[in-house]
Amino acid sequence: QSALAQPASVSGSPGQSITISCTGTSSDIGTYNYVSWYQQYPGKAPKVMIYDVNNRPSGISDRFSGSKSGNTASLTVSRLQAEDEADYYCCSYTTSSTWVFGGGTKLTVL
Amino acid sequence: QLQLQESGPGLVKPSETLSLTCSVSGVSVSDSRYYWAWIRQPPGKGLEWIGNLDYSGTTYYNPSLKSRVTIFVDTSKTQLSLILNSVTAADTAVYHCARRRGGTSQIDQWGQGILVTVSS
Repeated sequence: QSALAQPASVSGSPGQSITISCTGTSSDIGTYNYVSWYQQYPGKAPKVMIYDVNNRPSGISDRFSGSKSGNTASLTVSRLQAEDEADYYCCSYTTSSTWVFGGGTKLTVL
Repeated sequence: QLQLQESGPGLVKPSETLSLTCSVSGVSVSDSRYYWAWIRQPPGKGLEWIGNLDYSGTTYYNPSLKSRVTIFVDTSKTQLSLILNSVTAADTAVYHCARRRGGTSQIDQWGQGILVTVSS
């Protein structure tokens, strides 16, 4: 299975909004609403920010939102803050009953 | 409170077997609400799903690793184990155990991870 495609990097200024895309196929994102997003700081374990396309776990800021269209899922971070600077990974269930991650996107807050 | 703690050797020789355990406290590994996974991350690279196991012991593996990997729970139901055979330098990574809530895509608990280096 191939990794989901994410941009290597995105950037934005404090207060702005950014969107990270995650492109898969009809064998993963296009078939299931089992898409999640993880935030990871250097040397730390990932943390779930969005699950099942557009659900936020308890305690996650409403500045984080998710969506999906066809084979592409997206994570939007609104009102950017310095603390949002991190790596972000998408993950999807597949028709083979396996899971696949994206290659990761480094978010830089300018 | 749930805690996941990986343990095992930090250095493995090429062609040998990598064996890791994940101690699970605060919930039973046989709890039908959860699935248990191993996920790895090579230094400076992205996350890679290795495989997972459900409460009944059914396993699912990454096709690229399937021939070399085994995930199982010990009889005490408190430890999740990972076996990876015939390792090469490409298997050098931080290995995490993690919990996914059944019926969702939410991996809500992660161990801190353990760095395993494959080198002679």
